[in-house]
Amino acid sequence: QVQLQESGPGLVKPSETLSLTCAVSGSSLTSAYYWGWIRQPPGKGLEWIGSIYHSGSTYYNPSLKSRITISVDTSKDQFSLKLTSVTAADTAIYYCARLRQQLVPVLFYFDYWGQGILVTVSS
Amino acid sequence: QSVLTQPPSVSGAPGQRVTISCTGSNSNIGAGHVVHWYQQLPGAAPKLLIYDNTNRPSGVPDRFSGSKSGTSASLAITGLQAEDEADYYCQSYDDRTLGGVFGGGTKLTVL
Repeated sequence: QVQLQESGPGLVKPSETLSLTCAVSGSSLTSAYYWGWIRQPPGKGLEWIGSIYHSGSTYYNPSLKSRITISVDTSKDQFSLKLTSVTAADTAIYYCARLRQQLVPVLFYFDYWGQGILVTVSS
Repeated sequence: QSVLTQPPSVSGAPGQRVTISCTGSNSNIGAGHVVHWYQQLPGAAPKLLIYDNTNRPSGVPDRFSGSKSGTSASLAITGLQAEDEADYYCQSYDDRTLGGVFGGGTKLTVL
């Protein structure tokens, strides 16, 4: 059974860097899947942040691209998100998920999700 | 403002049929990209409900079905049950962002 678990600080100060890790079990990070991050501000909808393949190939949401870095550590079965220069607008539940991504034909959907972690940006 | 447009809310009585629409544009649904649907129960993470317009993952009841036409897609739920009360999100791929885009979500209330 595929399981994902987010971890990291629940509180980050404005202008600092948000860092989260997603531990994966039940599915190899080196399999033919991408791995992604999605966020959901309280009471609002979902936003794709970015995704990564085990080779290190990444795709980022253009609206966040200048501030995000997604990396993968296959030896630890985990991948990570860093979001710099955070503001209150970055307060959200952050989900990691397994992503079916393919370019030809185009496939892009999340089939397994972590439970999510609430990150609050506040001084 | 989400890239895909959904009604904020829909409702129906137990046993009834409801539909949720999802409207996109020529850079996503209208470009021929498939649509996926997620169910988010209160306090839980989203769960894949429909993928590739019409397919149900294992374990999803056949009361849930999806369709797509032109720049829009729809999720239909028949035989409405109390446990279907949740938020529903559509999602597709967008040629401008080169990634996923979501609808704003629709809250389903079972009366």
